[in-house]
Amino acid sequence: GAVVSQHPSRVICKSGTSVKIECRSLDFQATTMFWYRQFPKKSLMLMATSNEGSKATYEQGVEKDKFLINHASLTLSTLTVTSAHPEDSSFYICSARETTRSSYNEQFFGPGTRLTVL
Amino acid sequence: LAKTTQPISMDSYEGQEVNITCSHNNIATNDYITWYQQFPSQGPRFIIQGYKTKVTNEVASLFIPADRKSSTLSLPRVSLSDTAVYYCLVGEGSNTGKLIFGQGTTLQVKP
Repeated sequence: GAVVSQHPSRVICKSGTSVKIECRSLDFQATTMFWYRQFPKKSLMLMATSNEGSKATYEQGVEKDKFLINHASLTLSTLTVTSAHPEDSSFYICSARETTRSSYNEQFFGPGTRLTVL
Repeated sequence: LAKTTQPISMDSYEGQEVNITCSHNNIATNDYITWYQQFPSQGPRFIIQGYKTKVTNEVASLFIPADRKSSTLSLPRVSLSDTAVYYCLVGEGSNTGKLIFGQGTTLQVKP
């Protein structure tokens, strides 16, 4: 149980285009999902907290107009990288929190999406 | 947010027990301590979580002293497949569930 999927696993796009990444909790409901980005050989950096039915909360320094987050259902959150540039190339990872669990801050992570902007 | 400090890297050999210590001096009263494992180009995988004393599951043990200012992840009899980055995280302390990743410890298991 507690599986999180991401789609696509890899995407290559041209500079200036927008890319949407989906994060799904497959066998549980997630009122809260989180989006991270990770550069090579670096740690994960939290970008934003996605709450079902409400606006996302962005971490300091993360442009909300650049990284659009939508959490329309209890099993799906999407991250759209708008007007992508080469510096947006990174590994994007989502996680979902199953709030019914007693370990309140146990998160289940997706496999990640490798974005390459040419 | 409680900050964590871990060794950047560790080396071990197959079959040995590995202990990775993490310090979290500013841990809040209601924070849990969670350890994740990450392989290259994959999302982190939950290993173990604890609040105090000792927790053991099928893959690891977690030792937490009474003051909770540090914790030690213990991996018994590591194999080559345990080569990965290990992250120690402390919860934000509120109910948001936010986790802030530190630098992690790169464990290299040698044959």
